[in-house]
Amino acid sequence: DAKTTQPPSMDCAEGRAANLPCNHSTISGNEYVYWYRQIHSQGPQYIIHGLKNNETNEMASLIITEDRKSSTLILPHATLRDTAVYYCIVRVAWGNEKLTFGTGTRLTIIP
Amino acid sequence: GAGVSQTPSNKVTEKGKYVELRCDPISGHTALYWYRQSLGQGPEFLIYFQGTGAADDSGLPNDRFFAVRPEGSVSTLKIQRTERGDSAVYLCASSLTTSADTDTQYFGPGTRLTVL
Repeated sequence: DAKTTQPPSMDCAEGRAANLPCNHSTISGNEYVYWYRQIHSQGPQYIIHGLKNNETNEMASLIITEDRKSSTLILPHATLRDTAVYYCIVRVAWGNEKLTFGTGTRLTIIP
Repeated sequence: GAGVSQTPSNKVTEKGKYVELRCDPISGHTALYWYRQSLGQGPEFLIYFQGTGAADDSGLPNDRFFAVRPEGSVSTLKIQRTERGDSAVYLCASSLTTSADTDTQYFGPGTRLTVL
């Protein structure tokens, strides 16, 4: 699986949009971009995933650049409960079921 | 509905002892995964089951680690002759399928293992 690069930490004011970047410049055509987050002392929680089109669900939006070499996770109205470590993961569509986590971005929401 | 559950939530043992960690996946999920997370690191893959069989055990660090899933539901991770370096949070996840375009892995809260 392609490796990802994320900033180690970010702050965001409560109520503002949190934009978390991820670089995956070696991504292949059959690899998806997944985002998970991990709140302190809990297991990772799935947020969203996409292949090449932008995706939106009740938690977040995922914006993938046209060349697919980077993406941004957007939390539209951050709350204190969004404070967590966010992991960007690139995963091949078939034949590699495991998730390969990096060290993620520690997002802190400031009141 | 019920999520993935893991027991115990905390386990303290002495070096050299044997431990078993249990995972109850979401009902109906055929795929089950074990990960290990050391302090300050992301989770690291250990083993993956499809049904009763281990489809990929490439992440098990050595032969002291073993996992079973005899009836295709509950899984047990077994660690023999524990070492202090085995101290970590052991996470279990399950998914309905293994297709990356539809598959979502749901994680349990983990078991924190401390080896003294």
